[in-house]
Amino acid sequence: EPEVTQTPSHQVTQMGQEVILRCVPISNHLYFYWYRQILGQKVEFLVSFYNNEISEKSEIFDDQFSVERPDGSNFTLKIRSTKLEDSAMYFCASSAGQNIHEQYFGPGTRLTVT
Amino acid sequence: KNQVEQSPQSLIILEGKNCTLQCNYTVSPFSNLRWYKQDTGRGPVSLTIMTFSENTKSNGRYTATLDADTKQSSLHITASQLSDSASYICVVRGYNKLIFGAGTRLAVHP
Repeated sequence: EPEVTQTPSHQVTQMGQEVILRCVPISNHLYFYWYRQILGQKVEFLVSFYNNEISEKSEIFDDQFSVERPDGSNFTLKIRSTKLEDSAMYFCASSAGQNIHEQYFGPGTRLTVT
Repeated sequence: KNQVEQSPQSLIILEGKNCTLQCNYTVSPFSNLRWYKQDTGRGPVSLTIMTFSENTKSNGRYTATLDADTKQSSLHITASQLSDSASYICVVRGYNKLIFGAGTRLAVHP
């Protein structure tokens, strides 16, 4: 069964450094998403991406964040200058369509900012 | 404010027993409601998706109900297994994004 994959599984970085989290969505999916989950808290929506542009973003997704689909398979989340409070689990998801379509989540990347 | 509230926060049951998890939401406009299972350190996995017109939906031992008038949903797990130990998250799709509840942490003991 096709699945969403994410790399790395764990990333440790120093405050102020840039990080890029990578995702390979399911191949025939058209919609892509990033979510984050701070330890012990609920999952929060960051951004959705369709047709090579951001379709929706939350208030968390400020200028420090950017997303890109550099080729036909990868979908990346970049954090320009990490802060301690960016430490969280970051989940990528993809879906074939919007609304009623199921979103398939990747296993997540645990980001630790020291 | 769009919110999804779940109860109880945590629950311990014995293997083989049934349980029911609750979800109340105040999301508008409402598009659909989903239940996800999340194992510790893993991504959420979809169990059911229900639209406004659906009252009940089953997926194996999982049965979800939806009352769109009272804005309540429940997830019933029948004949629990040790592998059911996980967080169960109620998620409501609003206008164009998913809004997550905090989840119910279920522990199934032998």
